[in-house]
Amino acid sequence: SQQGEEDPQALSIQEGENATMNCSYKTSINNLQWYRQNSGRGLVHLILIRSNEREKHSGRLRVTLDTSKKSSSLLITASRAADTASYFCATALRGAQKLVFGQGTRLTINP
Amino acid sequence: DAGVIQSPRHEVTEMGQEVTLRCKPISGHDYLFWYRQTMMRGLELLIYFNNNVPIDDSGMPEDRFSAKMPNASFSTLKIQPSEPRDSAVYFCASSYRGSGISGNTIYFGEGSWLTVV
Repeated sequence: SQQGEEDPQALSIQEGENATMNCSYKTSINNLQWYRQNSGRGLVHLILIRSNEREKHSGRLRVTLDTSKKSSSLLITASRAADTASYFCATALRGAQKLVFGQGTRLTINP
Repeated sequence: DAGVIQSPRHEVTEMGQEVTLRCKPISGHDYLFWYRQTMMRGLELLIYFNNNVPIDDSGMPEDRFSAKMPNASFSTLKIQPSEPRDSAVYFCASSYRGSGISGNTIYFGEGSWLTVV
């Protein structure tokens, strides 16, 4: 079964609005990463947050991590049409050098 | 850097045929991952290598699947015989010093789109 589960599965908003995606996981992690996938392309790394961090920013992206609730959120501010893509959280399990991906959130930004 | 290079990008084959997918990781990366993506099961890790040695193949679905990494710049994923349920996008990815404990980024190829009819 998947380690991470994203919520919602699909999200459609107007350009300029903020988009929030959530990820829940099951076991202890070393870090959590968010990736983006444009239609028909490979995944691209966006941001990483370590288990001892609570919040991280990168440009219009803000990631939070709550290890007590085993959850993370990705906020994209001032969304653009070009942000339309699927977004995946990936967890690095303790003691392992591999990432386990969730099912993803399909984000559509309407112009 | 050219990134992770996969071939073929698209393949349509008949059930029972052998399929070989190829991957060239980013130069200098010591970890290589094979993932499979389907609508039903999402992105699944099939196997990963460290310094050309298979570390975890627990995600390989069955004996019809095999993966090799004869050197640091080349890996193959083979399906023999192929079945319609193997239809998926197969991604190869690489990283330097791993993505888990080390927290390093995984770089994905563009994928090989396999259709078995």
